[in-house]
Amino acid sequence: SAVISQKPSRDICQRGTSLTIQCQVDSQVTMMFWYRQQPGQSLTLIATANQGSEATYESGFVIDKFPISRPNLTFSTLTVSNLSPEDSSIYLCSAMTDSNQPQHFGDGTRLSIL
Amino acid sequence: QKEVEQDPGPLSVPEGAIVSLNCTYSNSAFQYFMWYRQYSRKGPELLMYTYSSGNKEDGRFTAQVDKSSKYISLFIRDSQPSDSATYLCASPMDSNYQLIWGAGTKLIIKP
Repeated sequence: SAVISQKPSRDICQRGTSLTIQCQVDSQVTMMFWYRQQPGQSLTLIATANQGSEATYESGFVIDKFPISRPNLTFSTLTVSNLSPEDSSIYLCSAMTDSNQPQHFGDGTRLSIL
Repeated sequence: QKEVEQDPGPLSVPEGAIVSLNCTYSNSAFQYFMWYRQYSRKGPELLMYTYSSGNKEDGRFTAQVDKSSKYISLFIRDSQPSDSATYLCASPMDSNYQLIWGAGTKLIIKP
């Protein structure tokens, strides 16, 4: 299975600033995903990061707030823009090596907003 | 009604007991089912991945799928304190690979 590394593992940010989270996979993968998880809750899909095209966002998430890049088959970034206290959460990256395999996850980025 | 229902617990059992974790789902189109384990401050880790009805065993873990009743289970034999974690069930929607998640059950194994 793919090994997924996320950076940073945690951060504390000021309101109004932005944070970019990096997700690196140790092998080429077909699909990468970004999730948000509130403490003690399940996962909510933010978007699917498509290589070579724009990300596909889920209802309630917009590109202006959560711009995503996927420059190649092993790397993606999620930016959380114009941070507010409501953005305090855990952000997780996942990947699928191919369409017949399940998703594997990184260890997440814990984001706190002052 | 949520498409995947899971009791959030917590479920507390003594070490060595057999643990039964369960989910029900409403969409008969669901074909694949996963169980993930999530330790505190870690990402979800894939435990079991099943397609058909019946049982799949991996060491102390057995995943069971009953498509007739839309019920999936994860059994842990000889439970250990290191099994204490949150267990999430999930199923992908159709062909777009979006996972529908249960709420996750917090499991506590008491030494």
